[in-house]
Amino acid sequence: DIQMTQSPSSLSASVGDRVTITCRASQSISTYLNWYQQKPGKAPKLLIYAASSLQSGVPSSFSGSGSGTDFTLTISSLQPEDFATYYCQQSYSTPPTFGQGTKLEI
Amino acid sequence: EVQLVESGGGLVQPGGSLRLSCAASGFTVRSNYMNWVRQAPGKGLEWVSIIYSGGSTYYAASVKGRFTISRANSKNTLHLQMNSLRAEDTAVYYCARATPNDDNGDPGPFDIWGQGTMVTVSS
Repeated sequence: DIQMTQSPSSLSASVGDRVTITCRASQSISTYLNWYQQKPGKAPKLLIYAASSLQSGVPSSFSGSGSGTDFTLTISSLQPEDFATYYCQQSYSTPPTFGQGTKLEI
Repeated sequence: EVQLVESGGGLVQPGGSLRLSCAASGFTVRSNYMNWVRQAPGKGLEWVSIIYSGGSTYYAASVKGRFTISRANSKNTLHLQMNSLRAEDTAVYYCARATPNDDNGDPGPFDIWGQGTMVTVSS
């Protein structure tokens, strides 16, 4: 199985900050990398697919980049509603696997 | 409206069985890659199983031989039959649709999720 490792595991930031979360795959996954946001008690929400494509309805403050084994999710200017846990996930091969999550806190 | 609604969770003793259901609206279950993903309390996301539009099924190693994914096309519903349940199966179970990758058509990102149903395995 492909292992996905996110860093950092937690991150403290303020409204208006620019933040970057990193995801590394244990082998090359081309651009088959997706990002999700999850708020407490809620289902995950797809933000970015295919490494850099913005899901419909997601603010343009979110962006993704990378290919091969190294990927990043960037939030250009944090809003109060952005404080949540973020997961990366590879869809290169079965089983699909997730990173351990990055909790973004105030 | 496109949505998924899970049901069937609850408290079950170790070794017991439970059947989860996921009712879809706004799209057809049989024409899509349908999945179960779980999340243990305070933990991350773990993929459990997928059923392809053609009927092929795949499972995580941790549940293979104990869980069975299926669908009821006439009711546009996805199911997960869980047998020989263990304490480590305790989690919120989500059903999720995987949209095809743009280039190869294989299962891609999970674009639609249900609200989840809690399964607790305890004596």
